[in-house]
Amino acid sequence: LAKTTQPISMDSYEGQEVNITCSHNNIATNDYITWYQQFPSQGPRFIIQGYKTKVTNEVASLFIPADRKSSTLSLPRVSLSDTAVYYCLVGLFSGGYNKLIFGAGTRLAVHP
Amino acid sequence: SAVISQKPSRDICQRGTSLTIQCQVDSQVTMMFWYRQQPGQSLTLIATANQGSEATYESGFVIDKFPISRPNLTFSTLTVSNMSPEDSSIYLCSVGASGTYEQYFGPGTRLTVT
Repeated sequence: LAKTTQPISMDSYEGQEVNITCSHNNIATNDYITWYQQFPSQGPRFIIQGYKTKVTNEVASLFIPADRKSSTLSLPRVSLSDTAVYYCLVGLFSGGYNKLIFGAGTRLAVHP
Repeated sequence: SAVISQKPSRDICQRGTSLTIQCQVDSQVTMMFWYRQQPGQSLTLIATANQGSEATYESGFVIDKFPISRPNLTFSTLTVSNMSPEDSSIYLCSVGASGTYEQYFGPGTRLTVT
């Protein structure tokens, strides 16, 4: 499983777009990239997953360059409720029985 | 999606004792996972529990310390044995469904060992 590197913390203000970049230089050909969100006193929650280019859902967008050595989670117009820890995970998710190895995560603080 | 409950939600235990944490899922799932999260830290995978077989433990975790049961497709337990203050942590279970990239996590059990 590829090691990931993310900023330890980020600060933003309500209404701004937040981009969190994750580095995964050793990503393997069959690896997918997945992001989870964790609020205090709760378990992590799946946000988005992608393999290459761009993926968008109702919560976020995920940008993956052609070399796939990094990825960027984009949160549009954040609110105070987006204050959480965001984890980038890389691994082989084929077959669906995924063993998730969490990195340190990025602690996002959204200010009024 | 799957709804996961854990019992107890929190407990304070004395060193040397054991605590069994229960994880209940509202649907049948093949794979269940147990994680530990120390205060302010990321999650660490303890083991993977497949119904009908022995759990698979990650490096640094052993069955004698963290025995796991998986009697059916909706339930699992994790026991923290012979506890020490270093075992104080949040223990979470999660489930993965075949064919998806998502895992669903329980709310966690906050354990304090004194």
